[in-house]
Formats: sequence, structure tokens, C-alpha cells
Amino acid sequence: AQSVTQLGSHVSVSEGALVLLRCNYSSSVPPYLFWYVQYPNQGLQLLLKYTSAATLVKGINGFEAEFKKSETSFHLTKPSAHMSDAAEYFCAVSDGNTDKLIFGTGTRLQVFP
Amino acid sequence: EPEVTQTPSHQVTQMGQEVILRCVPISNHLYFYWYRQILGQKVEFLVSFYNNEISEKSEIFDDQFSVERPDGSNFTLKIRSTKLEDSAMYFCASSGTSGRTGELFFGEGSRLTVL
Repeated sequence: AQSVTQLGSHVSVSEGALVLLRCNYSSSVPPYLFWYVQYPNQGLQLLLKYTSAATLVKGINGFEAEFKKSETSFHLTKPSAHMSDAAEYFCAVSDGNTDKLIFGTGTRLQVFP
Repeated sequence: EPEVTQTPSHQVTQMGQEVILRCVPISNHLYFYWYRQILGQKVEFLVSFYNNEISEKSEIFDDQFSVERPDGSNFTLKIRSTKLEDSAMYFCASSGTSGRTGELFFGEGSRLTVL
């Protein structure tokens, strides 16, 4: 069975600091991996996805994630946090054979001035 | 920009009552989904729908749940007899391609509170 684990339910950074949100996956087949963001009072929005092409994936708003098979990780990073990045971030996995996404529990990012 | 819309944004109901949550997917999308998130827990897959039938459903999606696309635009989730544990945020999503590698577009969610 597939699963994702997001380490840290809350992450706080200063504006301009590096953002690192951690996601580890478990999958018996090559996974497809996704990061979604949820801004307050809005739906989930796709940030980026890995579907077995380049291991370094660039997404919207300056975010990127690197697929590391040896570490079963797909951590989300952004070099310099902005106040507008404050949101909840969800990592998700699918096996590529079904429509079902398996989500992590989410990480709430706070950005302080 | 096209978006998925959901109504109501918040519904409070008594245990045992029927609830219908409504969603208007993006107009040219063909794949439709319901997910839910119980407060403090993971976003969980409930059901996917394609070509007017359920393509996959989770263990959560038991006989108390049903989905329908009654008029070619709306996509509804019905809970026949609500339980306390049905209290959650319910998200509708749609996709122009199969969600396997494509992008799911989510609505803002409908918060259901069962008393």
C-alpha cells in the first residue's frame, strides 16, 4: 500500500529564509508524487508533480522538489520565503494506475516578518 | 480562470439526516472526485467518477454514500443518514485527464458538522 509521511505539522520561518517541508513516501511501485497547497479559505492547488521524468521538479511560486529514490523522499523547498507563502502544504502519492491520491497529514507553514 | 465551486460552504445537520453536497466541476473536465478531511487528519479519497459511473471508491464510501451527476454540470455527494463521524471538510475535484498523472482541480470545500 502506498503512503506519505509529512514530518512536522507546523513549520515557521522568517521572511527570506529557506523553506523546507519534508515528505517521505512508501510505494511498492514507482510512484507519482505531488505537492498541493491550500491557502486560507481556498481549495487545494497543485504546486508541482513528479511523474518519473526529471528528479528535480520546479513548480509555481518558486517552489521545487527533488525526488530521491534512495531516501524515499520528495521534500519541498523554496530558497526565500515570502509572507504570501503562509498556507497548508500537502504531499500526495499515486501509483499511476488509479485516480486515487493518497495525501499526507499536511504541514502548516508560517512566515514571520 | 475556471474553477471548481462547491455549495454549501458550511452545513450543520442533525445525526440521521440526509445531506447533499453540491459541486460544479470545470466545464470540459471528464473525471470527478470527492475527498474528505476530518479535522486534524489526512485528506482521504472517497470516490472517483467517470462516464456516469463510479470508477473507484474507498472503504469509507459505504452504502450511506452516493454520487450523481444529475444534469451534466453538477456533481453531488449524498449522505443518506449522517453520523457524527461524518463531520469533516468535503472536497470536490475534477480533472481533464485521468487523475493518475494529471492535475486535479479542487474546490474550496464544504464543511459538514453533524450534531
